[in-house]
Amino acid sequence: GQNIDQPTEMTATEGAIVQINCTYQTSGFNGLFWYQQHAGEAPTFLSYNVLDGLEEKGRFSSFLSRSKGYSYLLLKELQMKDSASYLCAVRDGDYKLSFGAGTTVTVRA
Amino acid sequence: GAVVSQHPSWVICKSGTSVKIECRSLDFQATTMFWYRQFPKQSLMLMATSNEGSKATYEQGVEKDKFLINHASLTLSTLTVTSAHPEDSSFYICTPQGAATEAFFGQGTRLTVV
Repeated sequence: GQNIDQPTEMTATEGAIVQINCTYQTSGFNGLFWYQQHAGEAPTFLSYNVLDGLEEKGRFSSFLSRSKGYSYLLLKELQMKDSASYLCAVRDGDYKLSFGAGTTVTVRA
Repeated sequence: GAVVSQHPSWVICKSGTSVKIECRSLDFQATTMFWYRQFPKQSLMLMATSNEGSKATYEQGVEKDKFLINHASLTLSTLTVTSAHPEDSSFYICTPQGAATEAFFGQGTRLTVV
């Protein structure tokens, strides 16, 4: 199985940068995903990493270190609409996703 | 990426009744579909893996006789919650299996059992 840890909550100011860390222990690794989820809605795909390094997509970037079992999601130039839950998920060799508990990010003016 | 349509988006049912949730893959053939559920303020947990033309496989702790899964075609998988009880109230969501670099979900179904 998978054991995935991420902080429960983070608060930041509009325009700032926030980094959400995710550590994992897996029985198989076939990629790491980050999702954004607003209350009552389905998760929305943000990023995917399968090789070590940084993937950048506009204001969002995601980093992976497979040897350390570590990833982070970086949110830059925070906007109020970025207030949401952010889910770290690891895919195994059977393509099943295991999710962390999610990090609730609150952006304040 | 895959387009997945899930129906209904929300449903309220009486305790003891059954509810069917449909998950359709609109633009590709999904031989395997994953069903997740999410209780309030918790993360998504895999319930079962739906396989086209064969029996579904269930995760530990998920009652296969209560959560009936049918995957009769490559574009449709259904989850039926039988004899629903208030503790089954949850957010149910599907996603097709794939090696894609993006994993897409259906819109989800909010089930409330009263």
